[in-house]
Amino acid sequence: SQQGEEDPQALSIQEGENATMNCSYKTSINNLQWYRQNSGRGLVHLILIRSNEREKHSGRLRVTLDTSKKSSSLLITASRAADTASYFCATPRNSGNTPLVFGKGTRLSVIA
Amino acid sequence: DTAVSQTPKYLVTQMGNDKSIKCEQNLGHDTMYWYKQDSKKFLKIMFSYNNKELIINETVPNRFSPKSPDKAHLNLHINSLELGDSAVYFCASSQLGQGAYEQYFGPGTRLTVT
Repeated sequence: SQQGEEDPQALSIQEGENATMNCSYKTSINNLQWYRQNSGRGLVHLILIRSNEREKHSGRLRVTLDTSKKSSSLLITASRAADTASYFCATPRNSGNTPLVFGKGTRLSVIA
Repeated sequence: DTAVSQTPKYLVTQMGNDKSIKCEQNLGHDTMYWYKQDSKKFLKIMFSYNNKELIINETVPNRFSPKSPDKAHLNLHINSLELGDSAVYFCASSQLGQGAYEQYFGPGTRLTVT
């Protein structure tokens, strides 16, 4: 069964604006991961945030995790046309050493 | 240097044929995976191997048979291809198992069954 659900399904913004994507999940997790997929390419890992962390940064990316609400957000600041891609959150299916389950993704379009 | 590579990138074949997809990682990772991504971009795990041993088989039809000759390689053989097998297949690897570590994906193999 699906674990993570991204919201919105699609997002279109102007270059320079910030983009926020959300992910909700169902069960307890020990980490949550965000991936990017450019059209016709494989997924690229962006950030892994562990359950005892509330916020993590990587360059223009900021990820938050709220375990009480079972939700995470990915913020891309000062977006660029090259950020156009699909963004997926992924969580272990259950606690412990279980496979990653991916959401359906948010399709981000950044218009120059 | 390519971290996770797959061949071929595109595969077009007819129903009933048998085909293989190869995957190699040069990251020294212990765990490798096969995922299937459907036309709606939904990505689902098929198999997971840890150091050549099958760890996860996600109720995939037994027409799909993974093989890991060593921990750097994980190949996928598909017998009697069906129209519903059309998808993009991704190989991935991680340092250690399952969902605890970030995964590195190959570029994908787009399989079209006609």
